[in-house]
Amino acid sequence: QQPVQSPQAVILREGEDAVINCSSSKALYSVHWYRQKHGEAPVFLMILLKGGEQKGHDKISASFNEKKQQSSLYLTASQLSYSGTYFCGTEAPSSGTYKYIFGTGTRLKVLA
Amino acid sequence: GAGVSQSPSNKVTEKGKDVELRCDPISGHTALYWYRQSLGQGLEFLIYFQGNSAPDKSGLPSDRFSAERTGGSVSTLTIQRTQQEDSAVYLCASSRGTAYNEQFFGPGTRLTVL
Repeated sequence: QQPVQSPQAVILREGEDAVINCSSSKALYSVHWYRQKHGEAPVFLMILLKGGEQKGHDKISASFNEKKQQSSLYLTASQLSYSGTYFCGTEAPSSGTYKYIFGTGTRLKVLA
Repeated sequence: GAGVSQSPSNKVTEKGKDVELRCDPISGHTALYWYRQSLGQGLEFLIYFQGNSAPDKSGLPSDRFSAERTGGSVSTLTIQRTQQEDSAVYLCASSRGTAYNEQFFGPGTRLTVL
């Protein structure tokens, strides 16, 4: 049930682009993206709610496919500050309420 | 307060002792979440509180774990008879409403069980 992210890890040079994928065997209600820098708490990047949605700010954007089973995070012209672990996340119904599930994570390191 | 606060920031305890972790959410946020993150690992969902609704406790790792939220604000996560495998960072987050909203995370409590 946990969304699977790929790749597990990626190393980039400054200015290079990266794509991180988040896949689920079932349609997701929504998908959130978070970035966690080493030793810090996760920080929200964006949320996608609708199939076919694309959203972005600055050089980070994301898409949600029509079937709502896959989301991709696009990092363009990467900067050193982009280094960290990226998690997708989604809510799932559970016993009359909800639980929140994060994906397996992608470690991204940007080198100068 | 400006953000989610957690206390203590660090807790070292001996195996078998009970510990209590506290989370103060952002004022006005009705949703509160607890997660556990072991060293170098992902985020494991523990429990979610929404307003005054009863939470689903099925995410708690064992019956040694319990959580409550008083008055729809402050929450405590209690671990009884701690074990070494309980060592991790415990993160709390809050959001305005349902899980569709952005979660704001606290700095976490690093728990070490000797």
